[in-house]
Amino acid sequence: SQTIHQWPATLVQPVGSPLSLECTVEGTSNPNLYWYRQAAGRGLQLLFYSVGIGQISSEVPQNLSASRPQDRQFILSSKKLLLSDSGFYLCAWSVGVAINIQYFGAGTRLSVL
Amino acid sequence: RKEVEQDPGPFNVPEGATVAFNCTYSNSASQSFFWYRQDCRKEPKLLMSVYSSGNEDGRFTAQLNRASQYISLLIRDSKLSDSATYLCAGTSGTYKYIFGTGTRLKVLA
Repeated sequence: SQTIHQWPATLVQPVGSPLSLECTVEGTSNPNLYWYRQAAGRGLQLLFYSVGIGQISSEVPQNLSASRPQDRQFILSSKKLLLSDSGFYLCAWSVGVAINIQYFGAGTRLSVL
Repeated sequence: RKEVEQDPGPFNVPEGATVAFNCTYSNSASQSFFWYRQDCRKEPKLLMSVYSSGNEDGRFTAQLNRASQYISLLIRDSKLSDSATYLCAGTSGTYKYIFGTGTRLKVLA
């Protein structure tokens, strides 16, 4: 069966520090991968998605970037965190094109202080 | 107008009650819709998919009304454990979803 791993679960970082969040999927090949952010009391905002190695689509211009160095690995990064980057970061995967149900990792709760 | 809109609630209902949420969408090209359940400080988990007119799974029924561009979720015989935030999502293009901000449900003893 497919599983998705996301770490760390919780992160506290100072303003201006770098960020690297990692997500890996097991049990499937060529998944579509997604990074979302959920601010406190808000909906899910799609940040990036990828349909293949090295293919990244950015949805919202911001202080973050994403990379997909391997088929089942998706990384979210920032060179310098802002206070507004605080939130709940969720990685998700799906397969296929027509009907591609998305399944979420457990998320990383990031606090930028 | 947001692409997917939900009443944020909270909906406070007694155990055993029937409760219904609506979710409206603006993109008439959306093909598939989904209801997710999100517990406090947890990830969303898929509750139901809605591809055509509707879907039923035990106490949960989802309906799709394409003419009026909304989907609904009906929960019968509410349990305390149903307390959560319910997110609806619709497809946007080939790979993406657009999520609503969620409807909060509290089932009271």
